[in-house]
Amino acid sequence: SSELTQDPAVSVALGQTVRITCQGDSLRSNYASWYHQKPGQAPVLVIYNKNNRPSGIPDRFSGSTSGNTASLTITGAQAEDESDYYCQCRSGDRWLFGGGTKLTVL
Amino acid sequence: QAQLVQSGAEVKKPGASVKISCKASGFTFSRHFMHWVRQAPGQGPEWMAIIDPSGARTIYAQNFQGRVTVTRDTSTSSVYMELTSLRSDDTAIYYCAADNSQNDRAWWFDPWGQGTLVIVSS
Repeated sequence: SSELTQDPAVSVALGQTVRITCQGDSLRSNYASWYHQKPGQAPVLVIYNKNNRPSGIPDRFSGSTSGNTASLTITGAQAEDESDYYCQCRSGDRWLFGGGTKLTVL
Repeated sequence: QAQLVQSGAEVKKPGASVKISCKASGFTFSRHFMHWVRQAPGQGPEWMAIIDPSGARTIYAQNFQGRVTVTRDTSTSSVYMELTSLRSDDTAIYYCAADNSQNDRAWWFDPWGQGTLVIVSS
């Protein structure tokens, strides 16, 4: 079982805002990173160092953290945002991944 | 651009070993820790191991202790992962990824290799 907990599935209407959350004790001291993964592809980094976006990631993606919960917010979700999303964090000498959230854009 | 290219798919019998390679380009390989992560069918990623830039130090996830060995060759900008005593539940896609960190609070994986499918079947 993962020590980072994510809701298995979330849906959002096209153009609306959605928040995907990740809970875990390690998030109290370390920032989460976020990845999206389309079927048959490797994970792709979307948020790192709390709220930084790699080049090429749209600014509708943002990250935040509060206590033991990290959040990925998509403001104005697009059809192409439909994907699996994973949080990731370091905990001592282990690197943890959440179980993933399947985002459906309606 | 930064890129990791992995070796091709493997089919192995239970009890066998597999060794996967990962070649870096477009970034300073010698400065980066490198990870291995696997993803079983329908599951999320699972971290396996990390190796330091010199290749002198490795950390393995407890689930793989005693079965996994990670090495690197700076001269060819390559990292390798060998998994022994394969079982059917080792069937997965195996990824290499470069470690990045900042502020002693943030660690992230970028770039990732394209993945190597390992099928373990009799």
